[in-house]
Amino acid sequence: SAVISQKPSRDICQRGTSLTIQCQVDSQVTMMFWYRQQPGQSLTLIATANQGSEATYESGFVIDKFPISRPNLTFSTLTVSNMSPEDSSIYLCSGAKSGYQETQYFGPGTRLLVL
Amino acid sequence: AQRVTQPEKLLSVFKGAPVELKCNYSYSGSPELFWYVQYSRQRLQLLLRHISRESIKGFTADLNKGETSFHLKKPFAQEEDSAMYYCALLYGSSNTGKLIFGQGTTLQVKP
Repeated sequence: SAVISQKPSRDICQRGTSLTIQCQVDSQVTMMFWYRQQPGQSLTLIATANQGSEATYESGFVIDKFPISRPNLTFSTLTVSNMSPEDSSIYLCSGAKSGYQETQYFGPGTRLLVL
Repeated sequence: AQRVTQPEKLLSVFKGAPVELKCNYSYSGSPELFWYVQYSRQRLQLLLRHISRESIKGFTADLNKGETSFHLKKPFAQEEDSAMYYCALLYGSSNTGKLIFGQGTTLQVKP
C-alpha cells in the first residue's frame, strides 16, 4: 500500500493569485494523478503526473492553468494559477504502483476557497 | 465517450436490511470497474474490483455486460457501512490507470 499526504489541507486565496499543492507518498509509486472535486460533484481527473516529463492533461485542463511537477517517484506538485472563484474545489492527489494501476491510493485532499 | 452513472444520490436503509447501490457504465472497450468508498472524515479508498470477484466487508458486485451495470450489494447493512460510495471505470489503454468516477451515492444506515 501507499500513504499519501497533501499540503496544505485547506486554504483561502484571493482571485488572481496562485497556490501550489504538494503531494508526498511514503513509498515509490509508478503513477501519480491529480483530481478536482467541485462542490457537490464527483472526482474529475485533471492530469497524470509523469516523472521527469510533462504531465498528461485531460480534456478541459491545460498546463498554463494547472502546471504540475513530478521530480521523483514519491513527490508531485499541482499549481492552480490565476485563480478565480470557479477554482474553489477539493484537489486530490493519488498514486498507484506498477501492475496495480487501478488500485489508487488517495491523499486527504486540499480544500481550496477562492474569494 | 465513457461514462459512469450512479442514479441515486442518497440511499437510506435500516440496519439489517439489504442494500443495493446502482452503477451503470458506458464504454466501448472491455470494462474494468471498481467501487471506492469514503467514510466520514477519512480518505477515499478502494473497496473492491470486479476482476477479483471478491467480497469485502460483506459487499459484492457483479459485472453485467449485457446491462452495462456493476451494482454493489450487501445482504444485511450495518451502521458502519454508512459512507459515500463511488463507482469507477478504468479507461484508456490498460496501463494508463485513468479512472472516471460516478457521481457517488451516500449510504445512510439507520439503527
